[in-house]
Amino acid sequence: QVQLVQSGAEVKKPGASVRLSCKATGHTFTSETIHWVRQAPGQRPEWVGALNTGTGHTKYSQKFQGKSIVEVDKNMNTVYLEVTSLTSDDTGVYYCATEGEMYHEVPAGYHRYIWFDPWGQGTLVTVSS
Amino acid sequence: DIQLTQSPSFLSASVGDRVTITCRVSHDINNYLAWYQQRPGEAPNLLIYAASTLQSGVPLRFSGSGSGPEFTLTISSLQPEDFGTFYCQQLNTYPYTFGQGTKLEIK
Repeated sequence: QVQLVQSGAEVKKPGASVRLSCKATGHTFTSETIHWVRQAPGQRPEWVGALNTGTGHTKYSQKFQGKSIVEVDKNMNTVYLEVTSLTSDDTGVYYCATEGEMYHEVPAGYHRYIWFDPWGQGTLVTVSS
Repeated sequence: DIQLTQSPSFLSASVGDRVTITCRVSHDINNYLAWYQQRPGEAPNLLIYAASTLQSGVPLRFSGSGSGPEFTLTISSLQPEDFGTFYCQQLNTYPYTFGQGTKLEIK
């Protein structure tokens, strides 16, 4: 059973950067899509971006483009999220999650349904001077 | 970005009650919708995907239905462990977005 284990809590000053890790246990990365989601205190989750571990292709929310970098180290079976130029607005819990998929045939072809499961336990990032 | 609006934002119900949560989407999402339950201090847990498909291991009292623009999550008979905040998520168009959440309290 795949599990995602994330790195521990971080406290950073404004302007600094933080690098978070998400390690898969019980499974070796081949061609999965791993997503990162941020949840500020008391707020809804917010999609940051994603990386395919097979191709290395990344996709970011426009809000996080240029501010966040997602990378993979396949030897370590780990995906990383780096967030730069931190401000207090970046405070929150950062989750990684695996993309699941299902193909459903329809008359015109097929639909590829996706979802996020499983999730890591989350990493709390606190940005404070 | 596609907007998701859930109603109600807060719900208090008793064990055994039937509970319905609604998610209204701003654009057509072709049923690319998932539902999650999040208990305090935990990561979201997948309940439903493709609008109506129950995730393996999720109790049968949970069900999803609907098509754009309105989707629903129903709990047929509320259990004590069903507390927390429920979120809908659209996975049709980047950026993938979430509803604002429905906080469910067990009376």
